[in-house]
Formats: sequence, C-alpha cells, structure tokens
Amino acid sequence: DGGITQSPKYLFRKEGQNVTLSCEQNLNHDAMYWYRQDPGQGLRLIYYSQIVNDFQKGDIAEGYSVSREKKESFPLTVTSAQKNPTAFYLCASRGTWNEQFFGPGTRLTVL
Amino acid sequence: DAKTTQPTSMDCAEGRAANLPCNHSTISGNEYVYWYRQIHSQGPQYIIHGLKNNETNEMASLIITEDRKSSTLILPHATLRDTAVYYCINPGGFGNEKLTFGTGTRLTIIP
Repeated sequence: DGGITQSPKYLFRKEGQNVTLSCEQNLNHDAMYWYRQDPGQGLRLIYYSQIVNDFQKGDIAEGYSVSREKKESFPLTVTSAQKNPTAFYLCASRGTWNEQFFGPGTRLTVL
Repeated sequence: DAKTTQPTSMDCAEGRAANLPCNHSTISGNEYVYWYRQIHSQGPQYIIHGLKNNETNEMASLIITEDRKSSTLILPHATLRDTAVYYCINPGGFGNEKLTFGTGTRLTIIP
C-alpha cells in the first residue's frame, strides 16, 4: 500500500533529551512537511522540504531540526531547546495537485 | 493562506446528506480550494479540491459558486464514521508551501 508511516505512535521524553521522530513515504513525492498540533488547535508548520538535501523553516522551527538525505525519509528531531514539546506531530507529503497526504502522527509527551 | 470562514459546528442525521459551507471571498482566479478532515486523534485526510468547476470523487462532492467566493462540501450519505473536523483551505498560489489549518467545522453525525 502506498502511504506515509510515522513512528513511534507514542513517545515519552525526559526534559533535556533530544528525540527523533521518523517519517517515511513510498508515494514518490518530492515535497514533505512536518506539522505540530496542540489540543483543540489547528496545525502549525515546523519544517518542509521540497527536494532531497534541501529544507526550509516553517512558522515554528525553533527547537527543531530535520534532515532530508533520501527522498523517502524526512526525520524530525525535537531538541532540548524546544521549551514546550508536548504535542501531536504530523508528517505529510505533497501530491501532484498540491494536496497533502498525512501520516498517522506521533504523540510526544515530556515527562 | 488566504482566509476562509466556516461554521464552528454542525450536526447531520445518519444517512442524510451533510452540506458543509465555506466562504473564501478573497480567493484569486488561479487558486484552488482544498478540503480535508481530521477524525479524532488521527492525521488529517485529504478529501477533494477544486478550482471553479464542481468536482466529485468517491468521498464527496464539491460545489463552487460561480463567483468562487464560497463552496460547499457534500457528503451524500453521511455515516457515523464521517464524524470529524472538516477544514476548508485556500493555500494561495499553486505550490505555496504554507498550508494553514484553522479550527474548521466539527461535524457530528447523529444516529
């Protein structure tokens, strides 16, 4: 099946730790995105990548980092510099008509 | 993203058509309208998009007014699984990376 996978589904982090969220797609899409969603809120763009080895900051990039070494993969690292990392993280890729396809999400909780 | 306006919530009886309105009065001539939905605790799901003609796919129909200032998403035979938050989005120019999800319309399907 074609789609986007994210892992893990749930992640717990101690304060001061860096954690990496995985995002993989087999849709052959060039562009990929990371969003953050807080309870009862809409999505906010963290980072996006239009092509391998290139990525751009979104609206709330501080405290996060990404890499895009392969077309299929766009991992997100939540660093200790992110002051309030507890949230629902969503990865997406962009299709031919600018529509975005989302993964199931990773719920990160800071202990 | 250009601004869109949707009702905060709506109810619809199971088996009936659900009609979700959206105003996008500032849309430009070459900009598309996209609809997504998010079921609780899941990633958003792309539904449909359109420019000026009415569109239909296996999930829904999209009716766009002639002046393109508003549109209506139609779920022809709503089921309980259609209970979700529905987002109408006008991202701006094609290829615009910023996709802003506001608060959307919370649709509740009533048995």
